[in-house]
Amino acid sequence: DAGITQSPRHKVTETGTPVTLRCHQTENHRYMYWYRQDPGHGLRLIHYSYGVKDTDKGEVSDGYSVSRSKTEDFLLTLESATSSQTSVYFCATLKGNYNSPLHFGNGTRLTVT
Amino acid sequence: DQQVKQNSPSLSVQEGRISILNCDYTNSMFDYFLWYKKYPAEGPTFLISISSIKDKNEDGRFTVFLNKSAKHLSLHIVPSQPGDSAVYFCANDMRFGAGTRLTVKP
Repeated sequence: DAGITQSPRHKVTETGTPVTLRCHQTENHRYMYWYRQDPGHGLRLIHYSYGVKDTDKGEVSDGYSVSRSKTEDFLLTLESATSSQTSVYFCATLKGNYNSPLHFGNGTRLTVT
Repeated sequence: DQQVKQNSPSLSVQEGRISILNCDYTNSMFDYFLWYKKYPAEGPTFLISISSIKDKNEDGRFTVFLNKSAKHLSLHIVPSQPGDSAVYFCANDMRFGAGTRLTVKP
């Protein structure tokens, strides 16, 4: 799993509350990614980072922000959680060049009630 | 804009037979196509890839075929085993298909 730890593994929160998910890696990989997985949609990219303080938007970035203050940590924040953000969130890292495989964490299941 | 599509949400095969999972794409600009496998409560794991300059790549029981003219790739698993039961995603340029759930029956 390329030393990727996601926390928490499960979270239930109420609509309108802020939520932060954490991804921690021990492999010193430069690139990190946040995806969400939903039935019928597969994995969709939310945000990614190509270095400390360098981040960019993915295809479903609305309602999410990220921060990367250290190489090993990539945080995903839902500023004001909505029910549509109920999902399983996966963090991934990339070792090597752009065409290399991604290495994923085991995910965080988020439920917004 | 690249799109990766897996139009079959599920596939069921008998143990020992061939499983064929399909994937279509809309943009030929990117070099590699990858297949990932996902078990419940785990993250996806890389299975096999193919370069756009090839039409076939084989790794043990897994073979991926690329048909560039049709913008289509397929993953063949022979022989299929119950442990292959999982969701399979094809991917290109950080974009993933919707996945196909494979069930291999003993």
